[in-house]
Amino acid sequence: QVQLQQWGAGLLKPSETLSLTCTVYGGPLSLNYWSWIRQPPGKGLEWIGEVNHSGSTNYNPSLKSRVIISVDTSKNQFSLNLTSVTAADTAVYFCARGGRFATAWGQGTLVTVSS
Amino acid sequence: EIVLTQSPGTLSLSPGERATLSCWASQYISNNFLAWYQQKPGQAPSLLIYGASSRATGTPDRFSGSGSGTDFTLIISRLEPEDSAVYYCQQYGTTLWTFGHGTKLEIK
Repeated sequence: QVQLQQWGAGLLKPSETLSLTCTVYGGPLSLNYWSWIRQPPGKGLEWIGEVNHSGSTNYNPSLKSRVIISVDTSKNQFSLNLTSVTAADTAVYFCARGGRFATAWGQGTLVTVSS
Repeated sequence: EIVLTQSPGTLSLSPGERATLSCWASQYISNNFLAWYQQKPGQAPSLLIYGASSRATGTPDRFSGSGSGTDFTLIISRLEPEDSAVYYCQQYGTTLWTFGHGTKLEIK
């Protein structure tokens, strides 16, 4: 059974870069696409983007200019970098397995952007 | 971008009743690539249905999905207290996943 464990800084200042990493346990990265999804407090879900084991990515156009999702198959990890954050980027960020729909999720990381 | 509209916004029902949740798409969703998730407070969403009508592993058969094209429905028969949650639909008919804004289901 695949499990995802994620970590990263939870408090950022405006203009800083958000960095989160997700480790996949119980299965190789090679069998799926891997996604990042976020949820502002009290609001709905927004897909950020995805990556596969070879590093091929797809991004949400609304965030594409600021997002990089990368993969490290040697560590069975994938990562999210979001540059130039603002208060609008405050959200719970989830990593997830799935190139079409999310079949497994990380526990979520609350990232707060505040000066 | 395909916009998903969910209705109703909030639904309040009693145990044993039947819940009908709707999801409408602004454009045709190819191959019925529509999923439903359940999210309880403080938790990550959990996949219930994919392909509009296929139950994910572990989804009780009280949950059923139907629909095609632009109109989709999630039915929860015989509601139980633990069904209290927010339910989201999500389309994956295009490279860009999009989600509905959710239906909050309250069990009286």
